[in-house]
Amino acid sequence: ETGVTQTPRHLVMGMTNKKSLKCEQHLGHNAMYWYKQSAKKPLELMFVYNFKEQTENNSVPSRFSPECPNSSHLFLHLHTLQPEDSALYLCASSQAHSTAYEQYFGPGTRLTVT
Amino acid sequence: AQSVTQLGSHVSVSEGALVLLRCNYSSSVPPYLFWYVQYPNQGLQLLLKYTSAATLVKGINGFEAEFKKSETSFHLTKPSAHMSDAAEYFCAPSKTSYDKVIFGPGTSLSVIP
Repeated sequence: ETGVTQTPRHLVMGMTNKKSLKCEQHLGHNAMYWYKQSAKKPLELMFVYNFKEQTENNSVPSRFSPECPNSSHLFLHLHTLQPEDSALYLCASSQAHSTAYEQYFGPGTRLTVT
Repeated sequence: AQSVTQLGSHVSVSEGALVLLRCNYSSSVPPYLFWYVQYPNQGLQLLLKYTSAATLVKGINGFEAEFKKSETSFHLTKPSAHMSDAAEYFCAPSKTSYDKVIFGPGTSLSVIP
C-alpha cells in the first residue's frame, strides 16, 4: 500500500449504531487530519493530531471520537449519529502540523446515516 | 480572519480552451496559498503551492497560478483544457505558518468535447 488509505470506502449505519473509520498513512508523516466534506459546503477540518497528540478539535460533537494510537494510524469512532452527519470523511497526513507542508489525502469514506 | 472566495461554483470550457479558475483571499497576505484538485471518487491532491519565492507558480498537469497582492488573488490557469481536467478545484490559503489551511468552497470544472 502507498500513500493514505481509508477503510471502509462506503458505510451505511443507523442512528443507534457504533462504527469506526480507519485511516493509515504509509508516508512516514507525523501529522494526521480528519475532514468532513458535505455537499455544497466547504471542506471542514474536524481534528488534527501532531506526533500522536491532538492539537485541534474544531468544536466537533462528541458523537465523533478520534483516536491516534501511533503516527501511522488514525481512527474516527462514530456513535448515535444524525442524518446530517452523512458526508464524505477524508483523512489526510503531512510531514508535520505546519501549513508549510503539503497534505496528502486518502480517497475518503462515504458515510450514510439512515 | 483569513477567508477565501472562489468565483463560480461551476465552470464549463471546451476541450482545448483556456481554463481560468478564480480565487480571492482576504486582505491579510497568507504565508502560503495552495490549489488542490479532487477527481471523482478520490481525495484531494496538491496542484501547486505559493510560498512567496515567486509570484508565478507552476504546478502539475500544465496548471499554473499567479499571486497578485494588489488584487488579493491567486487565479489558476491552464492554456488548453483536456477532458481529464474535469474535477473539483479548491483554493486554500493558510492563516499562519502553524495554523490550519482554509479551503475555499470549490469550483467544479467541466470540459466539453
